[in-house]
Amino acid sequence: EIVLTQSPGTLSLSPGERATLSCRASQSVSSSYLAWYQQKPGQAPRLLIYAASSRATGIPDRFSGSGSGTDFTLTISRLEPEDFAVYYCQQYGSSPRTFGQGTKLEIK
Amino acid sequence: EVRLLESGGSLVQPGGSLRLSCAASGFTFSSYAMSWVRQAPGKGLEWVSDITGGGDHTYYADSVKGRFTISRDNSKSTLFLQMNSLRADDTAVYYCARAQYTGSYPYCAYWGQGTLVTVSS
Repeated sequence: EIVLTQSPGTLSLSPGERATLSCRASQSVSSSYLAWYQQKPGQAPRLLIYAASSRATGIPDRFSGSGSGTDFTLTISRLEPEDFAVYYCQQYGSSPRTFGQGTKLEIK
Repeated sequence: EVRLLESGGSLVQPGGSLRLSCAASGFTFSSYAMSWVRQAPGKGLEWVSDITGGGDHTYYADSVKGRFTISRDNSKSTLFLQMNSLRADDTAVYYCARAQYTGSYPYCAYWGQGTLVTVSS
C-alpha cells in the first residue's frame, strides 16, 4: 500500500498570498496518477487536479499541480477567500487507492 | 449535469446491516466505474470500494473486505453498497463518486453529498 504524507498539517496564510502544499508518497506513484481534492466544511470533496498537473473542468488557473515519482505539490498562486479549506491528495495508480491525511489551509 | 444522490444512511447497532444507494443522472451510467469513499467524523477520506461500468469487477479496501458488497443496477442508474457485520469504526459519511480515467486508471471526478452511517448501541 502506498502511504501519502501531506505537509504541512495546517497552513496559515492571508488572501493574496501564495500557498504551496506537499504530498509525499512512500513509493513511486505510477505514471503520475495523482489527484488533488478540495473539501469545505459540510461539503463533499471537489476534484481540482488529476494526473498530477491537469486541472479539472471549471477549476481556476490559480490552482496548479506538479511533481512526479514520490513528490507532488499543489500550488495556489494567489489565495482567494473561498480557497480556505482542507486539501487531500490521492494516488490512483495502484490498489488500494490511498489518500493523504489532508492539509488544512486557514486564514491567518 | 452529473448528479449523484446517496441515501440509506442511518443509525444501526454493531453487527447489523445496512444498504446504501446512490442514484445517478446526467451521464451514461453503465459507461463509468463507480466508487464508495467514506469519511469518519473529523477525519480524512478513505477509499472503500470500486466497481467497473459493467459490474463485472469489484475491488475493496482490506478494512471492509468480506463484510461489504458493492453492486450496481445499470437499468436504474443506481449504485449500491451492502454493509454487513457493521462495527463502530464503520461510522462515517459515505460518498459515492463517479470515475474519470487517466489511461485505464480511475479517479473520483464527481461526488455526491454523502449519507451518514452511525454504528452504535
